[in-house]
Amino acid sequence: KAGVTQTPRYLIKTRGQQVTLSCSPISGHRSVSWYQQTPGQGLQFLFEYFSETQRNKGNFPGRFSGRQFSNSRSEMNVSTLELGDSALYLCASSLDYYNEQFFGPGTRLTVL
Amino acid sequence: DQQVKQNSPSLSVQEGRISILNCDYTNSMFDYFLWYKKYPAEGPTFLISISSIKDKNEDGRFTVFLNKSAKHLSLHIVPSQPGDSAVYFCAATKRGDDKIIFGKGTRLHILP
Repeated sequence: KAGVTQTPRYLIKTRGQQVTLSCSPISGHRSVSWYQQTPGQGLQFLFEYFSETQRNKGNFPGRFSGRQFSNSRSEMNVSTLELGDSALYLCASSLDYYNEQFFGPGTRLTVL
Repeated sequence: DQQVKQNSPSLSVQEGRISILNCDYTNSMFDYFLWYKKYPAEGPTFLISISSIKDKNEDGRFTVFLNKSAKHLSLHIVPSQPGDSAVYFCAATKRGDDKIIFGKGTRLHILP
């Protein structure tokens, strides 16, 4: 069974730009969660989607948004990028939120 | 306010000895705890979990202990192997709350 895939793996953007990251969950998984990983803050929860609906949201500004499609694929968008948005963005899928989450390899975003 | 704390950013252990990674939490409502392992350039992978109705869960070389009164859990790896060198994340959740809170991680180095 194919794992969680994330594209692109690496991105370099400049301040003020916007970026869209993509996540394809494991087939059959309907829950997709997004996390931001930085050296100082560890893994921080961004939001979780289930059946195209955002069920949960972490404490991030409105510049961070996401969506989920009918095939469970999910995208995350960050607008008006700031230097502090440089991080590894991880996507995780599960059958439902309470089940074991399977993580993708992440997208490394660098904001210059 | 950090609800899940891993106070040791790094830990070095001799190969063959026991590795003990610690985690403290502040929210007494948490009732399910997980450990994830992360290699560089990969997403975290689920390692082991424990429900609050238990105080110990064992899976091969990995054992997680939960002390609810102290709001403390620990992951024991014995014997430690070179492939165990990774970052370990402790996570906690309350079933029904739909949010998994991660610690900042502990980097484990297994020395030859």
